[in-house]
Amino acid sequence: AQTVTQSQPEMSVQEAETVTLSCTYDTSESDYYLFWYKQPPSRQMILVIRQEAYKQQNATENRFSVNFQKAAKSFSLKISDSQLGDAAMYFCAYRSYNNNDMRFGAGTRLTVKP
Amino acid sequence: GAGVSQSPRYKVTKRGQDVALRCDPISGHVSLYWYRQALGQGPEFLTYFNYEAQQDKSGLPNDRFSAERPEGSISTLTIQRTEQRDSAMYRCASSLVPSGAREKLFFGSGTQLSVL
Repeated sequence: AQTVTQSQPEMSVQEAETVTLSCTYDTSESDYYLFWYKQPPSRQMILVIRQEAYKQQNATENRFSVNFQKAAKSFSLKISDSQLGDAAMYFCAYRSYNNNDMRFGAGTRLTVKP
Repeated sequence: GAGVSQSPRYKVTKRGQDVALRCDPISGHVSLYWYRQALGQGPEFLTYFNYEAQQDKSGLPNDRFSAERPEGSISTLTIQRTEQRDSAMYRCASSLVPSGAREKLFFGSGTQLSVL
């Protein structure tokens, strides 16, 4: 079974600075998708960014980008120019190409300091 | 509806009681998923449906948990003889088309279940 590990329970960043959240996963599959979700205090689940494993190019969405290292099974999220509204729990998730369950990591709580 | 709707938002029950949690997916969405999220943890997959057919229930923790989606739209997750360890946020998600890991999941706000 696939597992997703987020080794940083908490992270802190100064407003306008850059922060990187780590995620590693374990799989024997070659085709899959990786996601970062944001969960603010409202406990909504908001998709931040998505990466297809077959794509070598790292996904980017405005201030959010990923560093996808397939051989190392690493999928880190970089937030540039951090804003107060970025403060939230961030979950890394893995989804197999062949089935539909999505596996989540335990999350990283990000604090943004003004 | 505009988004995935779950009810009730909060449910407090006594140990041993049965509870039914409702999910109303986005209109037209074929796939519906149930997740459970303990405090400080990531969501844990429970089960999912394509239309009215339950495709995978491997994540249901035991036989006290069941789910149905009889008409391929609204789904109900039922927990019988609740126990304190069942306390968690129960979250529903839907996607437009079945299978395909690329499909975006839309999550509801969840039902916070507290078993006393």
